[in-house]
Amino acid sequence: KQEVTQIPAALSVPEGENLVLNCSFTDSAIYNLQWFRQDPGKGLTSLLLIQSSQREQTSGRLNASLDKSSGRSTLYIAASQPGDSATYLCAVRGANTGFQKLVFGTGTRLLVSP
Amino acid sequence: SAVISQKPSRDICQRGTSLTIQCQVDSQVTMMFWYRQQPGQSLTLIATANQGSEATYESGFVIDKFPISRPNLTFSTLTVSNMSPEDSSIYLCSVEFGYEQYFGPGTRLTVT
Repeated sequence: KQEVTQIPAALSVPEGENLVLNCSFTDSAIYNLQWFRQDPGKGLTSLLLIQSSQREQTSGRLNASLDKSSGRSTLYIAASQPGDSATYLCAVRGANTGFQKLVFGTGTRLLVSP
Repeated sequence: SAVISQKPSRDICQRGTSLTIQCQVDSQVTMMFWYRQQPGQSLTLIATANQGSEATYESGFVIDKFPISRPNLTFSTLTVSNMSPEDSSIYLCSVEFGYEQYFGPGTRLTVT
């Protein structure tokens, strides 16, 4: 059974810091991994999608890496801003859980202080 | 990409009643997904809805409690039946498009 864990559960940083969010998964047989952002009480916004054959993806100040063999992904946020404050979720689409089903991590709640 | 809308955005309901949540997508999609997010928790898949067939439910979710309709390729409804306070959650509609998952804004349900 695929299990996805995110560390840390919560993170508080001052504005301008670079930071790394971690995501680990137990079954390395995945199609892809996706990072989302969720603002309080809202839906999910897709940030980055990494296919299983890729090592990393970049969008603006965000960079996501994938090491499938070790079951890990990281989301790097450069020069953090107060507007980055949100919960960040990773989700994997696994070969053994069915292509349709995303398994979500537990989330990292980020607070960036001005 | 896909743009998804949901109605209602939030509701407060009494125990024992039912609520139907609507989901509209701006593109035709084969499958639509319904997720639940309980307070302080991550997302859990309730069911997958294909047009023209019965929905497929995940373990722990049953059709009598969460009936789903899928009348066409851009629309689906999820009903939360005979509600109890434990059903208080955010319910999210989702589609997969080009291997990427997209989510609606969610429906925040509070059951009193």
